[in-house]
Amino acid sequence: GQQVMQIPQYQHVQEGEDFTTYCNSSTTLSNIQWYKQRPGGHPVFLIQLVKSGEVKKQKRLTFQFGEAKKNSSLHITATQTTDVGTYFCAGLKSQGAQKLVFGQGTRLTINP
Amino acid sequence: GAGVSQSPSNKVTEKGKDVELRCDPISGHTALYWYRQSLGQGLEFLIYFQGNSAPDKSGLPSDRFSAERTGGSVSTLTIQRTQQEDSAVYLCASSLDTRGSYTFGSGTRLTVV
Repeated sequence: GQQVMQIPQYQHVQEGEDFTTYCNSSTTLSNIQWYKQRPGGHPVFLIQLVKSGEVKKQKRLTFQFGEAKKNSSLHITATQTTDVGTYFCAGLKSQGAQKLVFGQGTRLTINP
Repeated sequence: GAGVSQSPSNKVTEKGKDVELRCDPISGHTALYWYRQSLGQGLEFLIYFQGNSAPDKSGLPSDRFSAERTGGSVSTLTIQRTQQEDSAVYLCASSLDTRGSYTFGSGTRLTVV
């Protein structure tokens, strides 16, 4: 079945450092979505990417969708303590079953 | 409603008892999903409903788990003869359609003692 692999599993940074998490799918995706889960909270939708090679920015967050629509990344510039949490990517297959397949998440902790 | 509502927020039950978890999705959302999340772990897909189609039950871990969605709205996840390994946070999500973003509820934290 379809798999979405996300790395790293954990990342600890100093406040102000950059952070990147990567997501790879075994199959071509029609879209990829990113969610953030704060400690003790539930996942909250951040963004959806649809087009090959698409790049979107939300303040210090930059999201990319690969040319082959099989991989994606989330980059945070100059992390702040409010960025703490687990970031999940989730891919929707181009064909077949229409449910998101979530990556295992990257847990980001920050040393202030 | 404005968001996805789940109840109860916390449930402590004795091993062997049955439990029912409720999810009230956003009005007008045709798709509804159940996930399970153990402490510090990822999202484990359980089941999803889309409109009047047969539900995708491929993620249910055993026949002790079942779910229904009445009238295309409220859903109930039932766990029979609970076991300690069932302890987790059960998250419900809904989406306008299967291609859109998911809105998650706050979850039900189930503890089996």
